[in-house]
Amino acid sequence: KAGVTQTPRYLIKTRGQQVTLSCSPISGHRSVSWYQQTPGQGLQFLFEYFSETQRNKGNFPGRFSGRQFSNSRSEMNVSTLELGDSALYLCASSPTSGRTYEQYFGPGTRLTVT
Amino acid sequence: SQQGEEDPQALSIQEGENATMNCSYKTSINNLQWYRQNSGRGLVHLILIRSNEREKHSGRLRVTLDTSKKSSSLLITASRAADTASYFCATDAIETSYDKVIFGPGTSLSVIP
Repeated sequence: KAGVTQTPRYLIKTRGQQVTLSCSPISGHRSVSWYQQTPGQGLQFLFEYFSETQRNKGNFPGRFSGRQFSNSRSEMNVSTLELGDSALYLCASSPTSGRTYEQYFGPGTRLTVT
Repeated sequence: SQQGEEDPQALSIQEGENATMNCSYKTSINNLQWYRQNSGRGLVHLILIRSNEREKHSGRLRVTLDTSKKSSSLLITASRAADTASYFCATDAIETSYDKVIFGPGTSLSVIP
């Protein structure tokens, strides 16, 4: 099976712009979670989507949003970018929602905001 | 402070030695997972241990869980240079209403050839 794929791998944006990141889960996986990783804050949970519905949401401002399509692919959008949004954004898929399943991570999208 | 915290923050050992990393957490859990991350790439799942298990093995990895002390340890035996990575524990806090799993800050392991 192909692993989790994320596009693009690298992105440079300017403050105030918006960005959309994409994640394709492992075939058959219906849950997609997004994480932000920074040196200062570590890995922080953004949100989880399951069957096109947001199931869980972390403590991030409304500028961070996401959606999931019927084929389980997911997109994450960040509007009005700030310098502090520079981070590695990771998505992870699992067969179903819930806390007892291991997650399979993609390689991440490295976002740099200048 | 975080639900899961690894100790030490950084560890440097010689190839062939054993590496031990610890994770402490605060609230009750259903399970605890360990992940590895190589230099800013995606995380790789290593092992999941459930709250009713005390020890689990996978190849050169040995994980223990002590729910009374709210702690877990990851032992990597006969380490190799390829084990150089950051290791994270992840817990699913039962009381957490929205987070799926919570990751600790990680232990950075350097294995010197």
